[in-house]
Amino acid sequence: AQSVTQPDIHITVSEGASLELRCNYSYGATPYLFWYVQSPGQGLQLLLKYFSGDTLVQGIKGFEAEFKRSQSSFNLRKPSVHWSDAAEYFCAVGAQTGGSYIPTFGRGTSLIVHP
Amino acid sequence: DAGVIQSPRHEVTEMGQEVTLRCKPISGHNSLFWYRQTMMRGLELLIYFNNNVPIDDSGMPEDRFSAKMPNASFSTLKIQPSEPRDSAVYFCASSRSRSVSEVFFGQGTRLTVV
Repeated sequence: AQSVTQPDIHITVSEGASLELRCNYSYGATPYLFWYVQSPGQGLQLLLKYFSGDTLVQGIKGFEAEFKRSQSSFNLRKPSVHWSDAAEYFCAVGAQTGGSYIPTFGRGTSLIVHP
Repeated sequence: DAGVIQSPRHEVTEMGQEVTLRCKPISGHNSLFWYRQTMMRGLELLIYFNNNVPIDDSGMPEDRFSAKMPNASFSTLKIQPSEPRDSAVYFCASSRSRSVSEVFFGQGTRLTVV
């Protein structure tokens, strides 16, 4: 079965600093990988996704992620963090099951942004 | 598109009462998912439907939980009787099956059982 590990429960950065959120996955086949963001009291919104092709994918709000098969990783990055980026970030791996692609989520990383 | 619509947004009920959560998926999406989010366990998949048929309900915690999808535009998650440990945020999500695509989430229902 597939699984996702986000080793950092909390990350604190200063506004304007760079950001990297870690994600490691376990899946026997080619993974479909996603990053979602959840603002307080809201549902999850897709930031970016990787299905195939270029291993560096660009997403919304200036985020990018790089798929590294050798490391089973899909880390999320942003060169300069804004205060509005403070939120919960979830990495997910999608697997086809019963005709649907089911995402399995990591536990999430809470991003705290200091002014 | 209005997105996935869930109701109510908040629900407070007494232990032992029946609770029904409702979901309207995005039009044209034929996969529907119910997730539960808690601090202790994170996001857990409870059940998912494909073309209104329940495919996997292995995530449903116990018999007190049941879910239905009578048609392509409506689903319910029922808890009867409710218990304090059921307190959580319940998310409904939908996607197009048969292709790799993102799952779209509703804003969730925050359930508090006292």
